[in-house]
Amino acid sequence: GAVVSQHPSWVICKSGTSVKIECRSLDFQATTMFWYRQFPKQSLMLMATSNEGSKATYEQGVEKDKFLINHASLTLSTLTVTSAHPEDSSFYICSARPYSGRVNNEQFFGPGTRLTVL
Amino acid sequence: AQKITQTQPGMFVQEKEAVTLDCTYDTSDQSYGLFWYKQPSSGEMIFLIYQGSYDEQNATEGRYSLNFQKARKSANLVISASQLGDSAMYFCAMREGVRDDKIIFGKGTRLHILP
Repeated sequence: GAVVSQHPSWVICKSGTSVKIECRSLDFQATTMFWYRQFPKQSLMLMATSNEGSKATYEQGVEKDKFLINHASLTLSTLTVTSAHPEDSSFYICSARPYSGRVNNEQFFGPGTRLTVL
Repeated sequence: AQKITQTQPGMFVQEKEAVTLDCTYDTSDQSYGLFWYKQPSSGEMIFLIYQGSYDEQNATEGRYSLNFQKARKSANLVISASQLGDSAMYFCAMREGVRDDKIIFGKGTRLHILP
């Protein structure tokens, strides 16, 4: 149980295009999903917290208009990188916190999406 | 200031030996949680172990144990009888407060297990 999927697993796009990444909790409902960004050989940096039915909360320094987050249901959150540029190339990872609210607030991570912007 | 500090960027350990990965944290909250995750080259984040700030005993999960020293604000991960498959990046992370869902990660330690 507690499986999180991401689609696509990798994507290559031209500069200026927009890319949508999906994060799904497959066997549980998630009130909250998180989007992280990881540059090569670096740590995961939290970009935003996504709550179902409400606006996402972005971390300081993350452009809301560039990284659009939609949490339309308890099992799906999407991250759209708008007008992508080469500096947006990174590994994007989502995680989901179960609705049941386990005591330790454990989050389950997706396998990640590698974005390369040419 | 960094919330999570992992001072070992890389470590080399002989197979079957025990290894300790260091982690110190900084928080003013009384209630918080500490996590360790493993990230192999495939990129997936694998949850290893969790320690709550009010837990009196050190957490253990199979070969993994967390050496929780609350006064020192340290939460070192101990892997016993290391295996080649343990080679990966290891991240220490913290959730602050009671309702804050955010987990903040340290910079990680790359562990290499030598045959």
